[in-house]
Amino acid sequence: GAVVSQHPSRVICKSGTSVKIECRSLDFQATTMFWYRQFPKQSLMLMATSNEGSKATYEQGVEKDKFLINHASLTLSTLTVTSAHPEDSSFYICSAHPPGGAGTDTQYFGPGTRLTVL
Amino acid sequence: GDSVTQMEGPVTLSEEAFLTINCTYTATGYPSLFWYVQYPGEGLQLLLKATKADDKGSNKGFEATYRKETTSFHLEKGSVQVSDSAVYFCALVGTSYDKVIFGPGTSLSVIP
Repeated sequence: GAVVSQHPSRVICKSGTSVKIECRSLDFQATTMFWYRQFPKQSLMLMATSNEGSKATYEQGVEKDKFLINHASLTLSTLTVTSAHPEDSSFYICSAHPPGGAGTDTQYFGPGTRLTVL
Repeated sequence: GDSVTQMEGPVTLSEEAFLTINCTYTATGYPSLFWYVQYPGEGLQLLLKATKADDKGSNKGFEATYRKETTSFHLEKGSVQVSDSAVYFCALVGTSYDKVIFGPGTSLSVIP
């Protein structure tokens, strides 16, 4: 199946710093990628839809200036948590689906990035 | 809007027991239905899927049947193993093929 990677897998930073998380589709091109946030023992919450070559679409309640998304190419989307604070500590997961045809409805998820803000 | 409901956990079973995790959904049209599994500290893996009514998805001994009449997609396995301990998410993708709608997840612990 399709493979999605994330980097880093784990990051610890000080309060006030910015952190960049990369999401890559390794064996397919993705015009759309999705970013989720997961709190402990909870389900995934969609944060935003990343669109290649255009602005991301954010879900209600998600701060655009706080969570910057850049979909620079058909295989790479980045999420930057700006001026991170302890409440931003969470598990961030991205997903993507192969374009067109069979399997379009199936999203493949990255392994996730654990962010801890001290 | 579209939504997914799952039975609440945690569920604790003995090895070789029968597993059922209930899932029901609300959606317009005919969504695609999925079960994802998340092992501790990891991302989500697709377990199985079904795209139309009466389809049965299966993988690694797990099965789920798309029931349009009851809007359900219950996950079953005849004999669970300790390695099946994980959180299971029922999910749907609507006919516009955009975002995934997740259920709250059900934690399963299998004890020897």
